[in-house]
This record gives sequence, C-alpha cells and structure tokens, in this order.
Amino acid sequence: GAGVSQSPRYKVAKRGQDVALRCDPISGHVSLFWYQQALGQGPEFLTYFQNEAQLDKSGLPSDRFFAERPEGSVSTLKIQRTQQEDSAVYLCASSLAHLDTEAFFGQGTRLTVV
Amino acid sequence: SQQGEEDPQALSIQEGENATMNCSYKTSINNLQWYRQNSGRGLVHLILIRSNEREKHSGRLRVTLDTSKKSSSLLITASRAADTASYFCATEDDKIIFGKGTRLHILP
Repeated sequence: GAGVSQSPRYKVAKRGQDVALRCDPISGHVSLFWYQQALGQGPEFLTYFQNEAQLDKSGLPSDRFFAERPEGSVSTLKIQRTQQEDSAVYLCASSLAHLDTEAFFGQGTRLTVV
Repeated sequence: SQQGEEDPQALSIQEGENATMNCSYKTSINNLQWYRQNSGRGLVHLILIRSNEREKHSGRLRVTLDTSKKSSSLLITASRAADTASYFCATEDDKIIFGKGTRLHILP
C-alpha cells in the first residue's frame, strides 16, 4: 500500500471489553513499532517486531496488552479487559530496515474506554 | 519510557522568524531523528542524523548533534504558518524512543 494503514480509526469500548487494533505496514518493511500516545504527550514505546519476531515488548503496560505479527506483515495489538487508563491514540509505524532508516507512521487508532 | 527531553515545551514566534528547539537524551544512540505531528494526525519524519555526524540540512531545516553533551537542536528558518505543529526528537539504539515534544505555534 501507499502508507501505513491502521484500523479502526476510532474505537469506543466499554470498560472490561477486549479490543483488537490492526496495523498494515508498508509492503516489504521489516520493522514494525507500536506506540501509545496520550493527549499532549509524546508517543510511548510499546513493542516492536523485526519480521515476525517480537524483539522488544518492554513497553507494554501490563499483561492485558498483547501484540503479534504472525507472518511478518500485518500486526494486531490486543488489549484485554480494557480500563479507562487505556484510553489513548495507538500509533503503528514501519521501517524498511532495522536501524538508521526513517519510520513511517499510520494515522493511529483513537481508543476511548467508557 | 521516554529518552529525549525537548526544550522548550511550547514556543510561539512570528511568521518569518527562526525557531529553535532543543533535545537532550540520556544513553548512547545510533542516530537521532526529528518528527513533526500536526494536530490529530500521524507523525511525519523530518530528518535523521547519525551518531558520527554533527550537522545536517534539509531545506529550511538544520539539525545539529553533540554526542558529548547528549543533545541535539532543530532550527527551522523563515518559519511559515504551516510549520505550526508539535516537534519530537527520537533516539534510536535498537528501538525508537520519543521525547515529549515541543509545541510550535507560528503567529501570522
């Protein structure tokens, strides 16, 4: 595709509901990153993949957060039993190589937990 | 976790003036990148400077990197209304970590 695509763009979830956020990276991009951005703050690192391998998940806030990229392309970020503090914009980015290349960002998914 | 710290947090200048934003970081890096984010939209990559480089230019942008001081600066010359946005520095060792950003407002 032309760019990184995220879906849905907006998601309203009731507290306790499970949600799944999808990211379609640019075709051929090796690295894929997930970030969480609260209003007025910078993106906070959650996790990243190199192809299908999840190399770092140190930023995931709790074991309710889970990410996968089973075929090294599309990635899904799943949040179980959502809480109000999970409300944020979730950004996905991909890059062509592992290091020293720019990351291309999607428009994000705005999650609101009510 | 956030590695970079931008300064100032917010900046308002007149159109046509130059805008300077600074970034300090804590650990060793492979490179440092600057991104722009317009309100409600995704981040756009502006420039990447490697750890062995000291200065880089791209159009109206000038970035410096001082690894001994663990700091970088972004200069936007001849600012325009369209430059109004948040600007983030991001450091890369094995993953890309962002700072909290500088909110730049260009006054007409």
